[in-house]
Amino acid sequence: DVVMTQTPVSLPVSLGGQASISCRSSQSLVHSNGNTYLHWYLQKPGQSPQLLIYRVSNRFSGVPDRFSGSGSGTDFTLKISRVEPEDLGDYYCLQSTHFPPTFGAGTKLELK
Amino acid sequence: EVQLQQYGAELGKPGTSVKLSCKVSGYNIRSTYMHWVNQRPGKGLEWIGRIDPANGNTIYAEKFKSKATLTADTSSNTAYMQLSQLKSDDTAIYFCAMDLMVLMDAWGQGASVTVSS
Repeated sequence: DVVMTQTPVSLPVSLGGQASISCRSSQSLVHSNGNTYLHWYLQKPGQSPQLLIYRVSNRFSGVPDRFSGSGSGTDFTLKISRVEPEDLGDYYCLQSTHFPPTFGAGTKLELK
Repeated sequence: EVQLQQYGAELGKPGTSVKLSCKVSGYNIRSTYMHWVNQRPGKGLEWIGRIDPANGNTIYAEKFKSKATLTADTSSNTAYMQLSQLKSDDTAIYFCAMDLMVLMDAWGQGASVTVSS
């Protein structure tokens, strides 16, 4: 299975500040069709995960433009600018290029 | 509005089975894949498998092939997951999710399974 390595495990931030989360895969996530199936989810405390970014850099419906995704191959980043209280929680990357889909271990975004 | 309704908490004894449900409203499950994902206490997310409710085709992560059985009832717009031969390691929250526009973009609220004698 493809191993997804997320760093950091915990990320203290100040409200209004910026956060950056890294996700690295053990294999290239470029599919034979040319697409890269790397997605980002946020799980707020006590809630189910919600999709933020799909296929590296596409914001899902209703996701503020404070969230941006980038990267290629095996190296991906989620950036959050102007952090707001509702952004706090656990962030997970997910690859679905290779079977089975695999998640990173998560990054906890918390207040400094 | 699309909603995935999962019900509460299940308690199972070791060696027994539980069957979880995920009732969808606002969308026909024949038009999507239904996924199941677990989250062990204090841990991250793990993909279990998915079903195509239109034809019943299933695919599982290797480690869940003998643990989980996915089914769907299109008449009630409900997906199910049966977990068999329960062990303490199966204690987790189990989420259903579906592909509305992209992969797993709609989720149920999760159902808790506790395995204890």
